[in-house]
Amino acid sequence: EAQVTQNPRYLITVTGKKLTVTCSQNMNHEYMSWYRQDPGLGLRQIYYSMNVEVTDKGDVPEGYKVSRKEKRNFPLILESPSPNQTSLYFCASSARGLTDTQYFGPGTRLTVL
Amino acid sequence: GNSVTQMEGPVTLSEEAFLTINCTYTATGYPSLFWYVQYPGEGLQLLLKATKADDKGSNKGFEATYRKETTSFHLEKGSVQVSDSAVYFCALRGGGTSYGKLTFGQGTILTVHP
Repeated sequence: EAQVTQNPRYLITVTGKKLTVTCSQNMNHEYMSWYRQDPGLGLRQIYYSMNVEVTDKGDVPEGYKVSRKEKRNFPLILESPSPNQTSLYFCASSARGLTDTQYFGPGTRLTVL
Repeated sequence: GNSVTQMEGPVTLSEEAFLTINCTYTATGYPSLFWYVQYPGEGLQLLLKATKADDKGSNKGFEATYRKETTSFHLEKGSVQVSDSAVYFCALRGGGTSYGKLTFGQGTILTVHP
């Protein structure tokens, strides 16, 4: 089954404790992206990747890192999480870019205390 | 930079009513425009898209026309169903070197009553 998986689905952590949210797709897609969703703000793009070893900033990259060492995986790293990073995070992928259908993962709900 | 503005919700309608959700944008160059839908507890799904001026995107009875002169991409449906209850997001992909960047509106909650 074609899908985008994220782990963990739920995470409660404390300020400053490094964490990684994994994202994996099994569709051989070139494009992958991370978004955060906050009430009243809609979705905002954090980082995206057009292909392996190619990443670029979205609208809200501060406090996040990503890497794209292989095509299927696109982890989101929070080196020193803060409470303002409490949010619902979505990973997505598409074949080549945004005019191709984006497939979204189920989301990761992160709480930083 | 690019921006998307959606009509404020929530929107509450009776079944079979006509739906319009307004979306306007600000962008340089020639953006592509999208509508995404999010059902309760799920991720987003692409509903429809338009990649150039005057294009009409359509899917599942929903339509939207890319109007460059009014910088708008309003979503319409002639007869809504209870199953259309969801959050709808208008989004824009910039042109040029920002073709991987997607900017969303704040979302509009739609509730349809029987």
